[in-house]
Amino acid sequence: QSVLTQPPSVSGAPGQTVTISCTGSSSNIGTGYDVHWYQQIPGTAPKLLIHGNTVRPSGVPDRFSGSKSGTSASLAIAGLQAEDEADYYCQSYDNRLHGFVFGSGTKVTVL
Amino acid sequence: QLHLQESGPGLVKPSETLSLTCSVSGDSMTSNLYYWDWIRQSPGKGLEWIASIHYGGSTYYNPSLKSRVTISMDTSKNQFSLKVSSVSAADTAVYYCARRTDYGDYEVFDFWGQGTLLTVSS
Repeated sequence: QSVLTQPPSVSGAPGQTVTISCTGSSSNIGTGYDVHWYQQIPGTAPKLLIHGNTVRPSGVPDRFSGSKSGTSASLAIAGLQAEDEADYYCQSYDNRLHGFVFGSGTKVTVL
Repeated sequence: QLHLQESGPGLVKPSETLSLTCSVSGDSMTSNLYYWDWIRQSPGKGLEWIASIHYGGSTYYNPSLKSRVTISMDTSKNQFSLKVSSVSAADTAVYYCARRTDYGDYEVFDFWGQGTLLTVSS
């Protein structure tokens, strides 16, 4: 049971836009801690996709975008491509648990 | 380009102590901007942050694991290590080492090792 809640799966056809939510609470996202997103292709390590809620590291396509509001954050993938099939995790800090926390993960399937 | 590589025993018996090492290449471990972390991933609990160390000597632990975990660093070898005592099946996971960078307003895990599978079984 992760501190940050994500939908187990989302799917979309190539070219469509999918959105992944990350719901936290007043001890993490809601208190102002930033949210970061990671992409994990099965069998490989997580890769940083978005940091500081909205910032894309060099090399990450601008099809990926992040946002944050209140106790939640979202990751949007526009123009969905087959290579986007992966698991996606949000991450923040929790001041009640005194540590870094991750979301439960969302599997993106390209139909 | 930064590269992190975990190494470990692969299999540990219940109640024993597991030891993992992360070898860092391509950058210095002694920058004030960097922390060096261990994170694990198991099917039952997803991604779980374990511990962190800064070259200045500061260490940080997940409170739920703190009583069993020790993190250390050897900058002369460009390595950092993790020990977990009294292991049980619940410690079976893929263990990742990662670099955490301080961006000022926040810190983020920006580079990860490939991970090493650790199984606890008799």
